[in-house]
Amino acid sequence: NAGVTQTPKFQVLKTGQSMTLQCAQDMNHNSMYWYRQDPGMGLRLIYYSASEGTTDKGEVPNGYNVSRLNKREFSLRLESAAPSQTSVYFCASSEQGYTGELFFGEGSRLTVL
Amino acid sequence: GESVGLHLPTLSVQEGDNSIINCAYSNSASDYFIWYKQESGKGPQFIIDIRSNMDKRQGQRVTVLLNKTVKHLSLQIAATQPGDSAVYFCAERSNDYKLSFGAGTTVTVRA
Repeated sequence: NAGVTQTPKFQVLKTGQSMTLQCAQDMNHNSMYWYRQDPGMGLRLIYYSASEGTTDKGEVPNGYNVSRLNKREFSLRLESAAPSQTSVYFCASSEQGYTGELFFGEGSRLTVL
Repeated sequence: GESVGLHLPTLSVQEGDNSIINCAYSNSASDYFIWYKQESGKGPQFIIDIRSNMDKRQGQRVTVLLNKTVKHLSLQIAATQPGDSAVYFCAERSNDYKLSFGAGTTVTVRA
């Protein structure tokens, strides 16, 4: 049982390049989330998907897009990377919304030069 | 701005002692609180949660206390072990069902 799997674990981009972070969960959860973690700022929600077919903006959505491909997969895309997007990105899932435990992936460390 | 905050960014504890990690929140409408543990290089892991209609909840070696009067949350870890070294985050769910995380407290256990 893998839980939440994110790829890639590390990525270095140049300003203006694009990339997609992939996330998959095998727990049959309805809700999925993308967070970013910056030093001293805790976790901030970028986008979330309450259920398959829906996505909503979180606190810091600018510069990102998401796709809920199916119930298992939720991807995060940076269309034109900026140095301010250097961060550690975490995908998470939960059975339904914030009514219980969030399960996190191991993170993807992104550096934008 | 931040609605959830931890009182101290770092805590050093002697192995075997009890640890207390504090958290203040500002939204009196928050109805659900969670503590997460994050080890180096890993994602956060759920430790324990508490709903606003409770003031105490116990798990294995951990206790969460909620004081709604002063909007304060604490996590107590009994008999702290080296494996407890990590960053601890509190999170609150506000009335619009968004989860806000604090900046975290780094706990270091001394042998």
